[in-house]
Amino acid sequence: DTGVSQDPRHKITKRGQNVTFRCDPISEHNRLYWYRQTLGQGPEFLTYFQNEAQLEKSRLLSDRFSAERPKGSFSTLEIQRTEQGDSAMYLCASSLREDTQYFGPGTRLTVL
Amino acid sequence: QQQVKQSPQSLIVQKGGISIINCAYENTAFDYFPWYQQFPGKGPALLIAIRPDVSEKKEGRFTISFNKSAKQFSLHIMDSQPGDSATYFCAATAYSGAGSYQLTFGKGTKLSVIP
Repeated sequence: DTGVSQDPRHKITKRGQNVTFRCDPISEHNRLYWYRQTLGQGPEFLTYFQNEAQLEKSRLLSDRFSAERPKGSFSTLEIQRTEQGDSAMYLCASSLREDTQYFGPGTRLTVL
Repeated sequence: QQQVKQSPQSLIVQKGGISIINCAYENTAFDYFPWYQQFPGKGPALLIAIRPDVSEKKEGRFTISFNKSAKQFSLHIMDSQPGDSATYFCAATAYSGAGSYQLTFGKGTKLSVIP
């Protein structure tokens, strides 16, 4: 499978715990996006990487959130001190050009 | 501020019928308009996309109609099939100025195609 992959697919955690998600983009794609999708809503932009540089962050990305993309390959999204409001589907997308973005299957986070 | 408004929220269509989903946008800087299909528990999958210099684009049973002056675009699904039952999202993108072409999504339309 040469699509975008994400791990884990599901994560259940207790409030206050830290969680980390991983995204492996399509191999030649230098652009990588993170989005968050809550129930009944469309995905909302969180942050953008071009190669290893994090060029843009949404206001949705609070100080508890951090993302990295070492060596411009896979990316990680960490949420510290999780809150119930963080419960959502976290989606990763990659692209080679400025337009077409391909999404992974997402990581479903449930904060108890 | 919701920059892309999508309607209807849900849609029920008979098998073989035409499904029509509408979207309207506000930001005139948007220059790429994709439609995504999402099944429960899955990530969105790109279905079809259009740029504003074209008024219509067709791929198989899926057609996008685009009205630049009205700032509206729509997805038509011809000969709708039960397998088309999913949530459909319209989206739009423009260069953010900070490096990204982040997608702005509508709220989605849940399509149910009944036999």
